[in-house]
Amino acid sequence: GEDVEQSLFLSVREGDSSVINCTYTDSSSTYLYWYKQEPGAGLQLLTYIFSNMDMKQDQRLTVLLNKKDKHLSLRIADTQTGDSAIYFCADSSGGYQKVTFGTGTKLQVIP
Amino acid sequence: EPEVTQTPSHQVTQMGQEVILRCVPISNHLYFYWYRQILGQKVEFLVSFYNNEISEKSEIFDDQFSVERPDGSNFTLKIRSTKLEDSAMYFCASSEARSSGNTIYFGEGSWLTVV
Repeated sequence: GEDVEQSLFLSVREGDSSVINCTYTDSSSTYLYWYKQEPGAGLQLLTYIFSNMDMKQDQRLTVLLNKKDKHLSLRIADTQTGDSAIYFCADSSGGYQKVTFGTGTKLQVIP
Repeated sequence: EPEVTQTPSHQVTQMGQEVILRCVPISNHLYFYWYRQILGQKVEFLVSFYNNEISEKSEIFDDQFSVERPDGSNFTLKIRSTKLEDSAMYFCASSEARSSGNTIYFGEGSWLTVV
């Protein structure tokens, strides 16, 4: 079945850039998402990219999509302590837009 | 910004009891979903709902679970005869009609603890 994989943990210093990587297996994915989850909170949609795009930039966030390698990344520029959270990669395909989530990457920002 | 709202935010229930989790999707959305996240695990798809019927469900969504849209605004998940392993965060989500493309918006979640 469909699988979405991420590394489990990333630690960066405040002010540096963070890059969170994700691989997926479903070649028919239509949308790919990044969600942020702070401790005890819900899933906040950060950004998404349509599968026919290579890149999307939204303020400090840059999403890169390599459809050939089925690789998605999220770059956070000038990482702040408030960016500390779990980041989920997810993709959707099919008519009813079922979303498959990755395992989540815990980002720790060191002051 | 419109949002998906869920109630209760946290519920503790005894094993064997029935639980109803409630959601108010974004008003112009037509697709509704339930997901769950067991502590420390992946967010898992449970069910999608469109045009007043289930459009897709996962193997997790067995006869213990049911969904309903009792009126024009609420979308509920009922869990009958709860088990300890049903303890999880349950997320409701909604999205617009497929033809307009979509993003899927999640609620804050309902944390269910079965004791």
